Amino acid sequence: AQSVAQPEDQVNVAEGNPLTVKCTYSVSGNPYLFWYVQYPNRGLQFLLKYITGDNLVKGSYGFEAEFNKSQTSFHLKKPSALVSDSALYFCAVRRVENTPLVFGKGTRLSVIA
Amino acid sequence: DTGVSQDPRHKITKRGQNVTFRCDPISEHNRLYWYRQTLGQGPEFLTYFQNEAQLEKSRLLSDRFSAERPKGSFSTLEIQRTEQGDSAMYLCASSTTSGRAGEQFFGPGTRLTVL
Repeated sequence: AQSVAQPEDQVNVAEGNPLTVKCTYSVSGNPYLFWYVQYPNRGLQFLLKYITGDNLVKGSYGFEAEFNKSQTSFHLKKPSALVSDSALYFCAVRRVENTPLVFGKGTRLSVIA
Repeated sequence: DTGVSQDPRHKITKRGQNVTFRCDPISEHNRLYWYRQTLGQGPEFLTYFQNEAQLEKSRLLSDRFSAERPKGSFSTLEIQRTEQGDSAMYLCASSTTSGRAGEQFFGPGTRLTVL
């Protein structure tokens, strides 16, 4: 079975500082990994994905994520946080392409001015 | 706006009533997914379609739940005899199977409150 763990319910960071939102996964075989962001009263928005290739993946709004196979992690990062980045972030995994996603519980990011 | 629309956005109903939600995916997307999200949790998979064929149903989808995609375009999710535990956000997503990525595009959701 596939699973995702987001160990932090809440991450607080000062505006301008780097941010990291952690994600670890469990899946048999090669994973397809995704990050989504959810703003209040809105659906999930796709940020970035890892399918294969370069371990550092760049996505929307200046976000990037690093795939680490040995640590089974896919942490989301941004060099300089903005107040507008404050939202709920979800990591997701699938084992086979074009199948349903398994999501983590989410991490609430709060960027303080 | 991702291009996926859901209707209604909010639904309040009394326990025991039936409710139906609609999802309109991005037009060229052949896959359509339904998820349920409760407070403090990530979305959980309910069911999905390729065109009009329902490919998989989660064990979360009890007999009171039924989903259809009759013409391979829009989809409906019906809950019969609603219970308070059905209160949640119901999310629809769509994707295309061309290419390997298959990222899913989500609608804004339908928030169901069962009184």
